[in-house]
Amino acid sequence: KAGVTQTPRYLIKTRGQQVTLSCSPISGHRSVSWYQQTPGQGLQFLFEYFSETQRNKGNFPGRFSGRQFSNSRSEMNVSTLELGDSALYLCASSFDSGSGYEQYFGPGTRLTVT
Amino acid sequence: KNQVEQSPQSLIILEGKNCTLQCNYTVSPFSNLRWYKQDTGRGPVSLTIMTFSENTKSNGRYTATLDADTKQSSLHITASQLSDSASYICVVSLQTGANNLFFGTGTRLTVIP
Repeated sequence: KAGVTQTPRYLIKTRGQQVTLSCSPISGHRSVSWYQQTPGQGLQFLFEYFSETQRNKGNFPGRFSGRQFSNSRSEMNVSTLELGDSALYLCASSFDSGSGYEQYFGPGTRLTVT
Repeated sequence: KNQVEQSPQSLIILEGKNCTLQCNYTVSPFSNLRWYKQDTGRGPVSLTIMTFSENTKSNGRYTATLDADTKQSSLHITASQLSDSASYICVVSLQTGANNLFFGTGTRLTVIP
């Protein structure tokens, strides 16, 4: 099975712009989660989508939004970019193995805001 | 408050030596605990996953232990290699139907020749 793919891998934007990141989960996985990772904060949960519905949401401002399509692919959008949004954005797809959710991460999108 | 704390924050060891990383958590009700390895600039990769009833799980040179009573876990790396240089993240899952995970901030391991 192909792993989780994320595009683009690297992105440079300027303050005030918006950005859309894409994630394709492992085939058959219906849950997709997004995380922001910065050196000082570690992994911070953004939101989770399951069957096109947002199931969980982290503590991020409304500038961060997402959606999931019928084929489970997901996009994340950040509007009005700020310097502090520079981070590695990770997508993870999950399935319930019966003993908990097995989560697989993509390689991430490195966003730099200048 | 549900939290996951890892120690040490960073660690430098000589190639061939063993090391142990610690993870303490207050997450409840507990479902499972995972250890991930994350190379710089890449996504985390799962090393082990343990449920409440499991005390030890191995994956090659990596051995994770879990004490659910004291809410502590450790990851032991045997005969370290240069490729073990990475961040190791402890993740604890809640016993809910949703994908509810709590992440530690990780231990940065550097193996030097």
